[in-house]
Amino acid sequence: QSVLTQPPSASGTPGQRVTISCSGSDSNIGSNYVYWYQQLPGTAPKLLIYRNDGRPSGVPDRFSGSKSGTSASLAISGLRSEDEADYYCATWDDSLSVQWVFGGGTKLTVL
Amino acid sequence: QLQESGPGLVKPSQTLSLNCTVSGGSIGSSGAHWNWIRQPAGKGLEWIGLIYASGSTNYNSSLKSRVTISVDTSKNQFSLKLTSVTAADTAVYYCARSQDVWGPGTTVIVSS
Repeated sequence: QSVLTQPPSASGTPGQRVTISCSGSDSNIGSNYVYWYQQLPGTAPKLLIYRNDGRPSGVPDRFSGSKSGTSASLAISGLRSEDEADYYCATWDDSLSVQWVFGGGTKLTVL
Repeated sequence: QLQESGPGLVKPSQTLSLNCTVSGGSIGSSGAHWNWIRQPAGKGLEWIGLIYASGSTNYNSSLKSRVTISVDTSKNQFSLKLTSVTAADTAVYYCARSQDVWGPGTTVIVSS
């Protein structure tokens, strides 16, 4: 059972806009930055969004992040076949000691 | 860049030991923290713990009794030890710098 809750799956057709949600609590998303990772099959996760809505160099602006209260979202516009991957949200949790926590992951299928 | 190394097969009840070698920068001067994360096959990511160059550590509370993370700044490496392993510890183990750069991962299988 992950501390952060994501839908297990999402899908869209090429060109569509898809959003993936990540729900937490006051001790994690509510008081810390959110990060998003993309994991292509057989590879290590890659940082997609940092500090809620920042995009590392090289990440297309089709990817955007937002946060409100204890929830966060990743939006992918102009969906492409190469976006088919697993997506994870992550943040710090201050409830006991400071720990890094992940969502359970969302498998995005491009139909 | 980061690169994990260590045995790919560990017997149950033994200790899993992995190293992460950092290249392209000094582990001690970047101000970053250094993480271990694992992923069982077909499952999600689990943070194991982190260490700062100073040696200060934070661990996942569910693994804390079995985990030790250490750093060797002279070798530009940090290490993971996980004791009393079981089949449930079989996973791909990743090292990562802060929240941004990850190693490619190394598979560890716990089996007799």
